[in-house]
Amino acid sequence: SQELEQSPQSLIVQEGKNLTINCTSSKTLYGLYWYKQKYGEGLIFLMMLQKGGEEKSHEKITAKLDEKKQQSSLHITASQPSHAGIYLCGAAHNFNKFYFGSGTKLNVKP
Amino acid sequence: DGGITQSPKYLFRKEGQNVTLSCEQNLNHDAMYWYRQDPGQGLRLIYYSQIVNDFQKGDIAEGYSVSREKKESFPLTVTSAQKNPTAFYLCASSTVSGGTIYNEQFFGPGTRLTVL
Repeated sequence: SQELEQSPQSLIVQEGKNLTINCTSSKTLYGLYWYKQKYGEGLIFLMMLQKGGEEKSHEKITAKLDEKKQQSSLHITASQPSHAGIYLCGAAHNFNKFYFGSGTKLNVKP
Repeated sequence: DGGITQSPKYLFRKEGQNVTLSCEQNLNHDAMYWYRQDPGQGLRLIYYSQIVNDFQKGDIAEGYSVSREKKESFPLTVTSAQKNPTAFYLCASSTVSGGTIYNEQFFGPGTRLTVL
């Protein structure tokens, strides 16, 4: 979706390294969601951010929302092969429109 | 266990045929959605429904049809009018708060449709 830009499109990191994925919106965000997808499978919900400056963590994954910049980042600390997959951000821009970014494909080399 | 099921996992269709993809949820969610996923394009919304017997077109509804006769079920029909139907189709559901669809969506495992 052009409403949500994700970067990078793909990422290969060595196991144990940290990484960051970004999601940028051209419109006001009413809620930002991060999902993970294994190839050929459904999406697994990771985190939801609603307030500017909000930060949430789950295990080694931290997500932040900067509402002024209309940007969210997903940071993985000490990456593991189990983190590999496609990470997608999704957001609601108005009353009934929900968009997804095109995804970031992550590979973690053991 | 509560969740969303989609069937079949793989579906093959000849050109000119209509096919129906099944989506069932037992989460007691009011809203249900159908997305199409193509390589490098993320998810695109086909149709969504916030209540039984009502549904709205998403961004790419042409060539698709849906029905919502029961809260638990939201089948998607891919008609012969859909010019490029080969894709991965994902169904999702969510609660509805204040009439909006801002809430977390739960996804099914997907159906991969291939047109022969």
